[in-house]
Amino acid sequence: AQKITQTQPGMFVQEKEAVTLDCTYDTSDPSYGLFWYKQPSSGEMIFLIYQGSYDQQNATEGRYSLNFQKARKSANLVISASQLGDSAMYFCAMREGPGDKLIFGTGTRLQVFP
Amino acid sequence: DAGITQSPRHKVTETGTPVTLRCHQTENHRYMYWYRQDPGHGLRLIHYSYGVKDTDKGEVSDGYSVSRSKTEDFLLTLESATSSQTSVYFCAIRRNELNTEAFFGQGTRLTVV
Repeated sequence: AQKITQTQPGMFVQEKEAVTLDCTYDTSDPSYGLFWYKQPSSGEMIFLIYQGSYDQQNATEGRYSLNFQKARKSANLVISASQLGDSAMYFCAMREGPGDKLIFGTGTRLQVFP
Repeated sequence: DAGITQSPRHKVTETGTPVTLRCHQTENHRYMYWYRQDPGHGLRLIHYSYGVKDTDKGEVSDGYSVSRSKTEDFLLTLESATSSQTSVYFCAIRRNELNTEAFFGQGTRLTVV
């Protein structure tokens, strides 16, 4: 069974608009963490944002926010005011024990158009 | 710069030969991971390590082995390379079990012909 599911293989958004990238997860571990990474066409993996399972508030980092709905097991990434440079692959990932395994979803390709 | 280096960056090898990829870190991070990235599959975990000599399998470990004899090096070995192992391989490191991000190496493009 998929541990991390990203159901949107591709998304389009107009510059300056907000966009939500979906991520659902599956774990029975009460302590876990959720990450989002960006991979531009150059190939490097860039950390965007982190949410811990016990965090009361949704995480925010600049234009990125994580809409964490624990009961629904979802951790959607919201990008506000999209920029052309946001065009990239976006991966959702989950950390869970034992051994602090780090599992990734299949990714969503976001394209921002003028 | 998280001080993580993968080598080699590119490799072409023949089917049936053994191949070893190296991940080297300079910052004493506890956790190290090996992934492969293929179109449509995202990053799939091959093996990971939570300390020297402490390793475990990920979701796609068949045909791969790892070793971590010292903190700074995590080696991935393809025991007998097959064409299905043609991929981009990423190493990642994390400092500890808290909310620390994973830092990634630049990737190794491996082609098995």
